[in-house]
Amino acid sequence: SQTIHQWPATLVQPVGSPLSLECTVEGTSNPNLYWYRQAAGRGLQLLFYSVGIGQISSEVPQNLSASRPQDRQFILSSKKLLLSDSGFYLCAWNQGGSGELFFGEGSRLTVL
Amino acid sequence: DAKTTQPPSMDCAEGRAANLPCNHSTISGNEYVYWYRQIHSQGPQYIIHGLKNNETNEMASLIITEDRKSSTLILPHATLRDTAVYYCIVAIQGAQKLVFGQGTRLTINP
Repeated sequence: SQTIHQWPATLVQPVGSPLSLECTVEGTSNPNLYWYRQAAGRGLQLLFYSVGIGQISSEVPQNLSASRPQDRQFILSSKKLLLSDSGFYLCAWNQGGSGELFFGEGSRLTVL
Repeated sequence: DAKTTQPPSMDCAEGRAANLPCNHSTISGNEYVYWYRQIHSQGPQYIIHGLKNNETNEMASLIITEDRKSSTLILPHATLRDTAVYYCIVAIQGAQKLVFGQGTRLTINP
C-alpha cells in the first residue's frame, strides 16, 4: 500500500535561518507531488507541484523553493525564513489522472 | 482562485443528516466535483467525487444538480468525529493541481 511521510512534524526557527522540510512517498512510482501551506485560520494554499524528477512548478512568488531529487522525494526549502513563513505545511501526492490527493501528516513551522 | 462558493460555517446535531452545499456555477463540462475534509491539525482527507450522476460511498453521498451548477454533500448520520472543514473543489480529471477554497467549517453538536 502507498504511504506518505513528511518531517519534521514541528519546528521552531528564528527569522533568517534556513529551512528544509522533506517528504517521501512509498508504494508507488512517478507520483505527482505537491506542497501546500495553511496559515493560521486560513485555507490551503498550493505552493509547488511536480510531475517528475527535476520538474517543479511554482504557484506563488515567495521566499521558498522546492526540489525533487528523486522520484518519490520532495523537499521544501528556504535560505532565510521570514515571520510570514510560519504555518502548517502539507505534502501530498496523487497519480496522474486521479483527482484523489493523499496528504501527509503535516509540518508545523513557527518562525520567531 | 477557487471556482466554488461554500458557506463559511454550519452546525448540525449529532445523529442527524448534515447537508453541505456548494455552488460552482462556472463549472465546465469536463470538470468533476471533489469533496475533501480536514480535521483540525491533520491533512485533508478525500471523501467523494462525481461528474454528473449522484454518487455514494461509505462516507457520504454527493448530489449534483442537473445543470451541474451546484452540489450537496450529505453525511447521513453525523457524529462528533465529523466536525471538520469541508472543501468542495472542481477540477478536470487528471488535473495537475487542486485549488482549495476556504471551505465550510461543520460543527456537530451533541
